[in-house]
Amino acid sequence: GAGVSQSPSNKVTEKGKDVELRCDPISGHTALYWYRQSLGQGLEFLIYFQGNSAPDKSGLPSDRFSAERTGGSVSTLTIQRTQQEDSAVYLCASRSRNRVNEQFFGPGTRLTVL
Amino acid sequence: ELKVEQNPLFLSMQEGKNYTIYCNYSTTSDRLYWYRQDPGKSLESLFVLLSNGAVKQEGRLMASLDTKARLSTLHITAAVHDLSATYFCAVDLYSGGGADGLTFGKGTHLIIQP
Repeated sequence: GAGVSQSPSNKVTEKGKDVELRCDPISGHTALYWYRQSLGQGLEFLIYFQGNSAPDKSGLPSDRFSAERTGGSVSTLTIQRTQQEDSAVYLCASRSRNRVNEQFFGPGTRLTVL
Repeated sequence: ELKVEQNPLFLSMQEGKNYTIYCNYSTTSDRLYWYRQDPGKSLESLFVLLSNGAVKQEGRLMASLDTKARLSTLHITAAVHDLSATYFCAVDLYSGGGADGLTFGKGTHLIIQP
């Protein structure tokens, strides 16, 4: 079956612009996660959705970051007024209700802020 | 704050040799995950360890978990070039009310030379 998909695969933007990153989880997966991977910080948890609600937003690095999920499926991560330190690979993962937090990752979106 | 430490962070070894990667974590948890990442690719789930003493094996890789020592190991037997990749361990703070985001180690970059 289809895995987690993300778009775009690459995004180059100018400092100060807003960007939207999209994640399509595996069909039927109820939980969805966003992570960020960078050379300096490694893999960092950003936010978690169960259905359409986000019980854990603890990892969002600033109020410029927000995320939503609609219909219990697609999620969008929005970064406003991008800064150079936002450059990273943004990974999305999902898991089924029956699997004990074994998360399946998408290919990621590589964001470069100039 | 949960901390996850892997060592070594870089390992170069010859084909046919055995080696072990260590993953220590700082807070009580009985759920630990191992992932593999190839260059430019996303994370692939390798093992899910859910209790003290859990041992899982797949091919030349074997993972174990000692929750009392807060230690997991990933053992490589008779390494082959195809196992060259970066290996991450990850821990979650299962709260009983839902799954949290994973906290990852910095990864072990493994190179296996002929």
